[in-house]
Amino acid sequence: GNSVTQMEGPVTLSEEAFLTINCTYTATGYPSLFWYVQYPGEGLQLLLKATKADDKGSNKGFEATYRKETTSFHLEKGSVQVSDSAVYFCALRAGNMLTFGGGTRLMVKP
Amino acid sequence: DGGITQSPKYLFRKEGQNVTLSCEQNLNHDAMYWYRQDPGQGLRLIYYSQIVNDFQKGDIAEGYSVSREKKESFPLTVTSAQKNPTAFYLCASSILTGTTGELFFGEGSRLTVL
Repeated sequence: GNSVTQMEGPVTLSEEAFLTINCTYTATGYPSLFWYVQYPGEGLQLLLKATKADDKGSNKGFEATYRKETTSFHLEKGSVQVSDSAVYFCALRAGNMLTFGGGTRLMVKP
Repeated sequence: DGGITQSPKYLFRKEGQNVTLSCEQNLNHDAMYWYRQDPGQGLRLIYYSQIVNDFQKGDIAEGYSVSREKKESFPLTVTSAQKNPTAFYLCASSILTGTTGELFFGEGSRLTVL
């Protein structure tokens, strides 16, 4: 079956630090890949997505590249802000179903 | 504005009571989903529906029921058979065809059993 594995948190960084949250996946066929963000007490919001190999998704300074050879979709940001503190979920879509990773909590300190 | 509306945002229930969580979307999406999220955990699929009057069980359907009488609506009932119902419940929708479409989520409903 399909699965998504992401690094366990929490990840604690100082403001303006570089962020990487690792995500690897197992899937048959050619899934689409997503990063969602969840702020406290809220639903999930789409952060970025990539639909084929070598695509780079980007939004709000976050980036992730669809690497088929390493089955990875790592999330990066060059300079995090306190407002980026949230839980980040990596997900893949194969057919009509989304499979989520367990989420990684990011805490950014001033 | 287009989106997904969940209600209520907070709900308290006594043991042995059934409760129904509402989910309405005006995105004209065919597919709708219910997920459960426990503290510090990821999302687990309860039920999903791809078309009116049809739905399928997800990974943790026991103790839950749904209906899909209208395209816009996909209510979830948490029955007394659900042993540990306290959780955050998320409704989502998406286009049906293809694999590239993302899920759109509501703001969630937090259920607490007293």
